[in-house]
Amino acid sequence: EDQVTQSPEALRLQEGESSSLNCSYTVSGLRGLFWYRQDPGKGPEFLFTLYSAGEEKEKERLKATLTKKESFLHITAPKPEDSATYLCAVQGAAGNKLTFGGGTRVLVKP
Amino acid sequence: DAGVIQSPRHEVTEMGQEVTLRCKPISGHNSLFWYRQTMMRGLELLIYFNNNVPIDDSGMPEDRFSAKMPNASFSTLKIQPSEPRDSAVYFCASSLTHRISYNEQFFGPGTRLTVL
Repeated sequence: EDQVTQSPEALRLQEGESSSLNCSYTVSGLRGLFWYRQDPGKGPEFLFTLYSAGEEKEKERLKATLTKKESFLHITAPKPEDSATYLCAVQGAAGNKLTFGGGTRVLVKP
Repeated sequence: DAGVIQSPRHEVTEMGQEVTLRCKPISGHNSLFWYRQTMMRGLELLIYFNNNVPIDDSGMPEDRFSAKMPNASFSTLKIQPSEPRDSAVYFCASSLTHRISYNEQFFGPGTRLTVL
């Protein structure tokens, strides 16, 4: 059974204070690792897909990296608008379903 | 281009009543997913369809839950009878799935269900 664990559960940052979120996973035949952002009262919003170890992707202040056992989401010089819950999910070889982690709630204070 | 559309956005009902949640996927997408999100259990997949056919319903909690996809542009999730523990936010997502590609899912705004 695919499993995803995210840490920390919550993160409080000052504006400009860079940090990283961790996503550890076990999956049979990783087809893709996905990062989503979720704002309160809204559905998850797609950010990145990573396919293989060593791959990196960037979008504005966010950078996602992938190893064979975990993924990191680096937030560089965050702004208050980066406050959200960040969800990690994996897609295994068994089908099209995604298994999500519990998320990391990020609060960036001005 | 419209995203995934869900209705209603909020539903308050009493225990024992039937609840029907509706979803319209993004046009052209061939996979549809129903999720439930709670504080305790996070985001859980209930069921998903490929080309209108249910593929994996192992996440459906019990027989009180049923889902249908009569055509490519519409799906329903029904709870009958509803119970207080069904209170959650229910999300619908869709994706364009190919056999050998990796497909991001696009989520709707969710339906917040409260069962009293």
